[in-house]
Amino acid sequence: GQQLNQSPQSMFIQEGEDVSMNCTSSSIFNTWLWYKQDPGEGPVLLIALYKAGELTSNGRLTAQFGITRKDSFLNISASIPSDVGIYFCAGYNTNAGKSTFGDGTTLTVKP
Amino acid sequence: NAGVTQTPKFQVLKTGQSMTLQCAQDMNHNSMYWYRQDPGMGLRLIYYSASEGTTDKGEVPNGYNVSRLNKREFSLRLESAAPSQTSVYFCASGGTADSPLHFGNGTRLTVT
Repeated sequence: GQQLNQSPQSMFIQEGEDVSMNCTSSSIFNTWLWYKQDPGEGPVLLIALYKAGELTSNGRLTAQFGITRKDSFLNISASIPSDVGIYFCAGYNTNAGKSTFGDGTTLTVKP
Repeated sequence: NAGVTQTPKFQVLKTGQSMTLQCAQDMNHNSMYWYRQDPGMGLRLIYYSASEGTTDKGEVPNGYNVSRLNKREFSLRLESAAPSQTSVYFCASGGTADSPLHFGNGTRLTVT
């Protein structure tokens, strides 16, 4: 089946630093999605990308849908303590009718 | 607007006991899903239902059964719980190109 490789697995950064994480796949996806999970809660959608090459921002977050449709990255600028959590990428394939998730990047921000 | 509601939030079972996890959504989504989350392993799909009356296996279906009771409700049943089923279980709905997944807040299950 389809698999996503998400890296890094974890990050420990100082408040104010920028963060970058990415996902790669051996398969093509129609849609790339980035979710954030706060402790004790379910994942919440941050950004959805629908076209190859698309670059989308949501506040301090920027994500891109890779031109080959097999990868995506998420950047967080000027991190703050509330950015702490687990970030998941997900690829959606219309033919499969379901999403495939990466294993997550756990972000820790030191004040 | 509640979104996706899961019950219970916490549960402790003894090996061999059975239980049903409940999930309901109020967003009129056709598709609903059950995932389990284990440390370092992300979200793994157990079962999903593309529409009322249909269910399909995901990556890790063994030891589970599901029922799509109606468009709103999708339940997950453990007939004979095992310690390997200790996990956090998430229900989600949506998951189409136009409507990405919306998750509930999870059920934390411990099997001793």
